Amino acid sequence: DAKTTQPNSMESNEEEPVHLPCNHSTISGTDYIHWYRQLPSQGPEYVIHGLTSNVNNRMASLAIAEDRKSSTLILHRATLRDAAVYYCILRGSSGSARQLTFGSGTQLTVLP
Amino acid sequence: GAGVSQSPSNKVTEKGKDVELRCDPISGHTALYWYRQSLGQGLEFLIYFQGNSAPDKSGLPSDRFSAERTGGSVSTLTIQRTQQEDSAVYLCASSLESRETQYFGPGTRLLVL
Repeated sequence: DAKTTQPNSMESNEEEPVHLPCNHSTISGTDYIHWYRQLPSQGPEYVIHGLTSNVNNRMASLAIAEDRKSSTLILHRATLRDAAVYYCILRGSSGSARQLTFGSGTQLTVLP
Repeated sequence: GAGVSQSPSNKVTEKGKDVELRCDPISGHTALYWYRQSLGQGLEFLIYFQGNSAPDKSGLPSDRFSAERTGGSVSTLTIQRTQQEDSAVYLCASSLESRETQYFGPGTRLLVL
């Protein structure tokens, strides 16, 4: 799976929107962009994924650049419970690898 | 519905002892994964099971590590002759099919003294 680059850390104020960036300049045409997050002392949890079009669900929105070389996870109103490490992961639709390859992610701190 | 469960939640053992970690995946999920996360590190893939196919063991760090999945459901990760560097959180995940969304358990925190 292709590599992703994320900032090590970000801060946000409670109840404000948060934009978490991810660069994936070597993404292939069949790679899906997945986001997981890991709250303290918990296993990772799925947040959202997309291929080309922007996606929305109850947790977040995913904005994908037109050239797909970058994407942004958007939390519309950050809460203290959103403090976590956010991972941007590319998953191919073919090939032998089935597992998720986690990078170092972005540690999001939400300030009250 | 019930998520992925793991037991024990915490395990303290002495160097050289064997340990078994258990994972109960979500019912009906055919794919099961083991990862580990050392303190302050990212998640490292260990092994993957898909249905009745031979498991992908490419992430196991040494031959002291083994895993089995009985009846396509429960999985056990065994670490023989534990070493201090085996101390980590061991996470299990399952998905309906391979390449589908993975659902993680809470992990087993292993401490080898």
